[in-house]
Amino acid sequence: NAGVTQTPKFRVLKTGQSMTLLCAQDMNHEYMYWYRQDPGMGLRLIHYSVGEGTTAKGEVPDGYNVSRLKKQNFLLGLESAAPSQTSVYFCASSFSSGSQTYEQYFGPGTRLTVT
Amino acid sequence: GQQLNQSPQSMFIQEGEDVSMNCTSSSIFNTWLWYKQDPGEGPVLLIALYKAGELTSNGRLTAQFGITRKDSFLNISASIPSDVGIYFCAGQLWTSGSARQLTFGSGTQLTVLP
Repeated sequence: NAGVTQTPKFRVLKTGQSMTLLCAQDMNHEYMYWYRQDPGMGLRLIHYSVGEGTTAKGEVPDGYNVSRLKKQNFLLGLESAAPSQTSVYFCASSFSSGSQTYEQYFGPGTRLTVT
Repeated sequence: GQQLNQSPQSMFIQEGEDVSMNCTSSSIFNTWLWYKQDPGEGPVLLIALYKAGELTSNGRLTAQFGITRKDSFLNISASIPSDVGIYFCAGQLWTSGSARQLTFGSGTQLTVLP
């Protein structure tokens, strides 16, 4: 199993450009998440999905959109990149059974710089 | 929203020493998780705690879920150079139909000196 993979690993964008980050998991997890990590801060949740075709906002959703067309994939889009979106982005997934959600497993991250 | 205070922010210790770090919350959690992040990598789960008062070990690591459900600590015994990294606590409050989000602490940067 590859676990959680992310594409690309690095990207540099100019202000106003758009891009999509891809997350894929092969663990048949229901739940998927997108986080950003900034220096000196913990991970902050951007958006998450509790199943194919469903998404919801997290703590810092502004400027991002997501889609979950297939259970194994979760896409994060930036329509018009801003320097404030320079960050490291992590995708995670977790199994869920009933009312309990099990621990989240993280991908290796995408380092994004917006100039 | 829920706030997690993780301390200390950074630690410098000698190889072989024991380490302790903790997290406190303004509200209760059902689950406490401890992750380690190496440079350039994603966080890796170390220990998961599901019941108040639970004490769980994973090799040289021991973590406890506080009895009030508002705190947790992580101990590392006999530190070695590969223990270097950032350690994060994370709390989760899950109820039926809830968002099941994790709230992360700001991390403890651990440096092990030879």
